[in-house]
Amino acid sequence: NAGVTQTPKFQVLKTGQSMTLQCAQDMNHNSMYWYRQDPGMGLRLIYYSASEGTTDKGEVPNGYNVSRLNKREFSLRLESAAPSQTSVYFCASPMMGDSQETQYFGPGTRLLVL
Amino acid sequence: EDQVTQSPEALRLQEGESSSLNCSYTVSGLRGLFWYRQDPGKGPEFLFTLYSAGEEKEKERLKATLTKKESFLHITAPKPEDSATYLCAVGSGGSYIPTFGRGTSLIVHP
Repeated sequence: NAGVTQTPKFQVLKTGQSMTLQCAQDMNHNSMYWYRQDPGMGLRLIYYSASEGTTDKGEVPNGYNVSRLNKREFSLRLESAAPSQTSVYFCASPMMGDSQETQYFGPGTRLLVL
Repeated sequence: EDQVTQSPEALRLQEGESSSLNCSYTVSGLRGLFWYRQDPGKGPEFLFTLYSAGEEKEKERLKATLTKKESFLHITAPKPEDSATYLCAVGSGGSYIPTFGRGTSLIVHP
């Protein structure tokens, strides 16, 4: 039982390049989230998926797209990377038993855009 | 709009020196207040969920308490391995999206 996994762990991009961050969870949870974490800014929600087949914008969605491929997988795509997207990206999947009791986070993807 | 403010931003303690971290919040209908621990280079790790004022939860040297306006994470006789950033978050109303604070960076010196 790996929980939440993310690939890649590190990535360096040039401005304008595209890439997809992958996330998978093996906990059979319905919801999955993408956050970014920047120094002094805390965790900010980019997009979330409450269930398979649905996605919604979070606090900072501009410049990103997502795909909920199936119940296990939720990917985040940067179509044209910008230096402002340099950040650490976390995928999370909450246990929803009684409201959002807890969120399980992946190990993160560290992205540098030059 | 939900808001979460954590203080202090950074805290340095000597091993064995007990202290508390604060999480102040404003929320329209609290569904839960969450504490996480985050080690450098890793994702946040769940510690506690508190649902109502007066509730307390403990885990090893950590004890979380909740009032109607704030939560405290008390650290009793901390050890160097307790060094980490501690994050607080709240969930509110009908939303299942938590709002996170910016965290408190704790360093415990041996």
